[in-house]
Amino acid sequence: DQQVKQNSPSLSVQEGRISILNCDYTNSMFDYFLWYKKYPAEGPTFLISISSIKDKNEDGRFTVFLNKSAKHLSLHIVPSQPGDSAVYFCAASARDNYGQNFVFGPGTRLSVLP
Amino acid sequence: EAGVAQSPRYKIIEKRQSVAFWCNPISGHATLYWYQQILGQGPKLLIQFQNNGVVDDSQLPKDRFSAERLKGVDSTLKIQPAKLEDSAVYLCASSPKRGRTETQYFGPGTRLLVL
Repeated sequence: DQQVKQNSPSLSVQEGRISILNCDYTNSMFDYFLWYKKYPAEGPTFLISISSIKDKNEDGRFTVFLNKSAKHLSLHIVPSQPGDSAVYFCAASARDNYGQNFVFGPGTRLSVLP
Repeated sequence: EAGVAQSPRYKIIEKRQSVAFWCNPISGHATLYWYQQILGQGPKLLIQFQNNGVVDDSQLPKDRFSAERLKGVDSTLKIQPAKLEDSAVYLCASSPKRGRTETQYFGPGTRLLVL
């Protein structure tokens, strides 16, 4: 049972336009969310996070929106650049005794076309 | 600052053989993680260390997988015997300390193919 879903395996966007990557989760206990970016042959790198006490977090060109009632979050990249072409993972975590146990989605491959 | 180092980068073995992966975390990072990423899926946590103690190994298949972090620095992950379904990328990550808000820094991974 996938607790974190990224239903679009791939997405293509023109350079300069907005990229919107979506993530849905099923576990209502999740209260902290991350986005990671991964280039080929490299490990994932942290991009941006959001806590359930917020509905938006912004860092430069990257903004994450959280809709708790819909159990949905999205990552907006504006403007998109060719260097943003990568696989993006959404990850979610619930507060537990271990302190850090994230469930990752399967990823969305973003291609930004020049 | 050097990143998380992993070796080997690639490994091909036959089923029922054993294999070991090595990870050197970022200097000073107390928390170390091993993840398994099967093709088309996101990383799945196998085990988490805090210094040289295990914090969480609930998803580690203990009948064939083992991991250790001697002296609280380097770590090794072993599979014995390997099965076809163990084919995956094994990622090591580290963070300065425990906590969900601590950024995890990932190594490049070891790609394992079991034939």
